[in-house]
Amino acid sequence: DIQMTQSPSTLSASVGDRVTITCRASQSISSWLAWYQQRPGKAPKVLIYEASRLEAAVPSRFSGSGSGTEFTLTISSLQPEDSATYYCHQYGAPPTFGQGTKLEIK
Amino acid sequence: EVQLVESGGGLVQPGGSLRLSCAASGFTFSNYEMNWVRQAPGKGLEWVSYISSSGGGDTIYYADSLKGRFTISRDNAKNSLYLQMHSLRAEDTAIYYCARLGGYIYGVNWGYHDYWGQGTLVTVSS
Repeated sequence: DIQMTQSPSTLSASVGDRVTITCRASQSISSWLAWYQQRPGKAPKVLIYEASRLEAAVPSRFSGSGSGTEFTLTISSLQPEDSATYYCHQYGAPPTFGQGTKLEIK
Repeated sequence: EVQLVESGGGLVQPGGSLRLSCAASGFTFSNYEMNWVRQAPGKGLEWVSYISSSGGGDTIYYADSLKGRFTISRDNAKNSLYLQMHSLRAEDTAIYYCARLGGYIYGVNWGYHDYWGQGTLVTVSS
């Protein structure tokens, strides 16, 4: 199966900061990558699909980029409600997830 | 409004069985592929099983780690998805989510999870 490696595992940033999370695939997945946000006690929610397409109703401060094996999720101006764990998910093969990045607000 | 509501979780002894259900509403259930995804306490997300929109036997997949203990099925007439779990182990303890697959392209990708249920907790313990 394709392995997904996210970095960093934890991240602490201030409101207004630009934040980037990286996801690397063990082999090419084209653009079949999604990003999810999961707040404590809640189900995950999709933010980005097909590497860079913003899901409806997701704030435009979220963006995704990349193709092949390297992908990034960027939050352009961090807001307090962005405190959550973020997961990447490749869906080009039997699906696999990254291990998650816990984002904390300073 | 798309809704997915899981049920059937609970406490079960090791070696026991449990059947999870997912009731779908707000969309044409029979048009969508579906997944079960689980999350052990404090851990990440793990894909469990996939079923095609029709539920045909040749379009059902499982994570290798399950080793034939789980069976996914669906009843499109009842807008429901199921996961039958047998020979449960402590490591199966998790929240189990059903999720609808969007962006599915046959033979190209497996789709991403555009809607999730709230999850149902399965605890395997004596």
